[in-house]
Amino acid sequence: GAVVSQHPSWVICKSGTSVKIECRSLDFQATTMFWYRQFPKQSLMLMATSNEGSKATYEQGVEKDKFLINHASLTLSTLTVTSAHPEDSSFYICSAQRGAYNEQFFGPGTRLTVL
Amino acid sequence: EDKVVQSPLSLVVHEGDTVTLNCSYEVTNFRSLLWYKQEKKAPTFLFMLTSSGIEKKSGRLSSILDKKELFSILNITATQTGDSAVYLCARLNAGNNRKLIWGLGTSLAVNP
Repeated sequence: GAVVSQHPSWVICKSGTSVKIECRSLDFQATTMFWYRQFPKQSLMLMATSNEGSKATYEQGVEKDKFLINHASLTLSTLTVTSAHPEDSSFYICSAQRGAYNEQFFGPGTRLTVL
Repeated sequence: EDKVVQSPLSLVVHEGDTVTLNCSYEVTNFRSLLWYKQEKKAPTFLFMLTSSGIEKKSGRLSSILDKKELFSILNITATQTGDSAVYLCARLNAGNNRKLIWGLGTSLAVNP
């Protein structure tokens, strides 16, 4: 149990376009999901907390208009990188929270490359 | 401050060795401590520790929490090349703030 999927796993896009990344909890419901980004050889950086049915909570320094988060159901959260630029190229990872002790289970990640 | 400090930063061992990875944390608002293994993709969950002194075990991996001294260790016995990865430790706060506070990780390389 506790499987989290992400789609796509890998995307290359042109500068200025928008990219949507989906995060799904496949066998459990998650009222809270998290979005992280990770640069090479660095630790995970939390971008935002996604709450089902309400607005996401963004970490300091993360532009909410740039990284749009929608958590429309208990099994799906989406992250849209709007008007992507090369500096947005990174590994984006989501996690879904489950259980009384709030264990987090990670998706496999999405590697975004913006040309 | 909610800091999580892992040591060592990097470790190289030979197959068959036993390794101990350390994670220390700040006490404020602590709920649980989690260990993850990250290879080339996203982290995979290893252990969640909430109570002090109770060892959690999975195969050759084990972990324990000391809430008095504010640290946890992750032990790997009889290491294999497949254990090569970055091992991440994170603390979860109590209350409504459910964010994980991450350490920088320990990079483990197991040579044949």
